[in-house]
Amino acid sequence: AQKITQTQPGMFVQEKEAVTLDCTYDTSDQSYGLFWYKQPSSGEMIFLIYQGSYDEQNATEGRYSLNFQKARKSANLVISASQLGDSAMYFCAMREGRTNAGGTSYGKLTFGQGTILTVHP
Amino acid sequence: DGGITQSPKYLFRKEGQNVTLSCEQNLNHDAMYWYRQDPGQGLRLIYYSQIVNDFQKGDIAEGYSVSREKKESFPLTVTSAQKNPTAFYLCASSSVSGYTDTQYFGPGTRLTVL
Repeated sequence: AQKITQTQPGMFVQEKEAVTLDCTYDTSDQSYGLFWYKQPSSGEMIFLIYQGSYDEQNATEGRYSLNFQKARKSANLVISASQLGDSAMYFCAMREGRTNAGGTSYGKLTFGQGTILTVHP
Repeated sequence: DGGITQSPKYLFRKEGQNVTLSCEQNLNHDAMYWYRQDPGQGLRLIYYSQIVNDFQKGDIAEGYSVSREKKESFPLTVTSAQKNPTAFYLCASSSVSGYTDTQYFGPGTRLTVL
């Protein structure tokens, strides 16, 4: 079974409007982290936002917010006031829990297949 | 400025040759990672290292090898045993302490086998 599912291969949005990119995940861990990355045509992966499984508030970073619904295992990315420069591939990723001796979690990421976002003027 | 560098940006290899991709970071991160990305796909983990002189296989390690002799450096060798090496390779690093272990990526190396 896929651990991270992004069901929208492509999305279109008008400039200045908001858009939601879907992400669902599957894990039996209690401690995990969810990440969103942006990949423009240059190829570099740009970190956008992080949500920890124990965080009670939805994460926000500027125009990006993460709609975290733990019971539904979804972590959708919301981009407000879309800009032409937002056109890119967007990836959702999960880090499952792994705690070292110091009590900090870290571990490898599993990525979804991505959603291509196109912003129209 | 702190960051991750990868070289070369483009690499062409003949079949049967080994090639080494460079990854260097000056973020003082303990952990480093190598991912492979095929066209239109997500990233798949090849190898990762959480500390110097130690590394673990990821999901697709066959045909690849790594070393971690210095904290700053995590080179990836694509060997002739890798059957389909043409892909985009991304290196990342992260802290292993603190609130998050966000992985930060380098600009990538695009490998083409001729």
